Order: sequence, then C-alpha cells, then structure tokens
Amino acid sequence: SQQGEEDPQALSIQEGENATMNCSYKTSINNLQWYRQNSGRGLVHLILIRSNEREKHSGRLRVTLDTSKKSSSLLITASRAADTASYFCATAKGSNDYKLSFGAGTTVTVRA
Amino acid sequence: DAGVIQSPRHEVTEMGQEVTLRCKPISGHDYLFWYRQTMMRGLELLIYFNNNVPIDDSGMPEDRFSAKMPNASFSTLKIQPSEPRDSAVYFCASSSTVTNEQFFGPGTRLTVL
Repeated sequence: SQQGEEDPQALSIQEGENATMNCSYKTSINNLQWYRQNSGRGLVHLILIRSNEREKHSGRLRVTLDTSKKSSSLLITASRAADTASYFCATAKGSNDYKLSFGAGTTVTVRA
Repeated sequence: DAGVIQSPRHEVTEMGQEVTLRCKPISGHDYLFWYRQTMMRGLELLIYFNNNVPIDDSGMPEDRFSAKMPNASFSTLKIQPSEPRDSAVYFCASSSTVTNEQFFGPGTRLTVL
C-alpha cells in the first residue's frame, strides 16, 4: 500500500510562478525523497531529507519536513516549462531500509 | 555511466505468452528494484535484491511472476503466462548502500492483448 499521499493531484501554473505540493505519510520514517517523472520516462531523484532535518534546498527546489505532522512539502520557485512533470514523494522507514513507498504523485503543468 | 538499462522498451504480446523483461543496473550498485506503474495502482514495488539475493518479494502479484538476478549486472522479470491485466510500465531501479537515492531505468511498456 502507498505510504505517501500527495496533494494536490494536479496543479497548473504560469511560467515564473511558484509551485507547491504536499506529501503526507502514515508511519515514522528515516528519510523522505522527492522524485520527478517526465511523460514516458523513468523517475529522477530530486532531493532527500532525513527525519532529523526540517528544510533542505537544491537549486530552485525547497523541501520541508514536519515529522510531528507527518508531512512534507516541495516548492519549485520560478517555474519553467521544463518543470512540467509528475512529482512523487517516497518514504523509507529505517536507516537500513532501502525499500521506498511511493505516493500517487502530483501532476504539474507549467504554462508558457 | 550509461545509467540503468532496460530492454525491451516496448513489448506487445498475446495473452498466455511468456514475457521476459531485462535490466542492467548501474555498475557498483548493490540494490536492484523492480516496479510496476499503472494509472489505477500507481507505482508498486514488486521485488528487490541486495547483492543478487532477493530480499522482499511481497509485492509480486502472483506465481505467474518471477524474478532472478544471476549476477551483479543483470536481472530478469518473467511473466508466464501473461494476462491483459499485466499491461503496465515496468521499471527497474538500482541504488547503493552509500545513498538511498534510486536510479530508474527508462521502463518497459508491456501490452498484453
């Protein structure tokens, strides 16, 4: 069963705007990861945040983690047409747990 | 590195036929994962290996599915006999003990008629 649930299911924004999507999970985790999937392609790892971290940045990406609420958010700033993709959160339960549970994903469309 | 390689990229077969999907993980990675992705069920983990040994196959839907990893650079996922409900995109991914990040292959789109 899926551990993570993304919200919203779909998001449409104008180029240059920010996109925010959320992920909620049910059980305690060791880390949470975000992946991007372009249409017809495999998933690409974006960023990993550990349970003892609250915020992490990578380029135009900002991820937050609130373990008390069992939730994470992914913010994409200054969006571009190339950011059009599906975004998935994935959780790992233990430090030696390499098995990931993926959510259903958020489909982001960036309009030019 | 060429990344994770999967073959074939597309497979169309008839119900009842045997299907074999192939995967070459990234060199040096000691974990290999097989996923299935459908619109209805999303991305499901079928099985994963560590150092060529199957660790968790609880996601394999039924006995018609089997997976092997005879060496560190090759794995197969076999469906015999195939059914229309097996139609999906099958992904292989690999990772190393150093990081939890998984690297995905391009996928095999399977259509069972």
